Amino acid sequence: EPEVTQTPSHQVTQMGQEVILRCVPISNHLYFYWYRQILGQKVEFLVSFYNNEISEKSEIFDDQFSVERPDGSNFTLKIRSTKLEDSAMYFCASSGTRRTGLGEQYFGPGTRLTVT
Amino acid sequence: AQKVTQAQTEISVVEKEDVTLDCVYETRDTTYYLFWYKQPPSGELVFLIRRNSFDEQNEISGRYSWNFQKSTSSFNFTITASQVVDSAVYFCALSDLNLNKFYFGSGTKLNVKP
Repeated sequence: EPEVTQTPSHQVTQMGQEVILRCVPISNHLYFYWYRQILGQKVEFLVSFYNNEISEKSEIFDDQFSVERPDGSNFTLKIRSTKLEDSAMYFCASSGTRRTGLGEQYFGPGTRLTVT
Repeated sequence: AQKVTQAQTEISVVEKEDVTLDCVYETRDTTYYLFWYKQPPSGELVFLIRRNSFDEQNEISGRYSWNFQKSTSSFNFTITASQVVDSAVYFCALSDLNLNKFYFGSGTKLNVKP
């Protein structure tokens, strides 16, 4: 069964450093998402991406965040200068094909980001 | 404002009991999607259902059923004959019809005891 993969599974970084979280969505999917979940809290939407551009972003997704789909397979989330409050689990998701339309969302296993 | 409320923080049941997880939403959109996701103790997120606001028919999938009531802005989720493997946090969510932006509830932790 196709799956969304994310690397690394755990990233530890120092405050102020840049991090790049990587995701490989399901190959024929068209819609891509990043979410985050602070430990023990609810899932929060960060950004949606379609047709090589951001469709929508949340208030959390400020100028410190950016997304890219550099090579048609990877979908990356960059945090330019990490803060302690960026510590969370980051989930990537993808959905939708030309045949199925919006379809079902498939989530990756998540990257746990710890900012010290 | 867009908002999803899951008032039940935690529910404990004994195996084989039926359990209903409540979800109430607010939206200014006339058309939208509603979702349920499961997050088992292992931490991954699992999509369970997407429901279009046009379609108020209840849905059943095995032991799972969903009751969508637009008049009360609710999208409740019932597990029949619960099993220990149903133990998880369940999130209800709302999105626009283009699936561009999502709003999640705070989740309900379901404990199913043997």
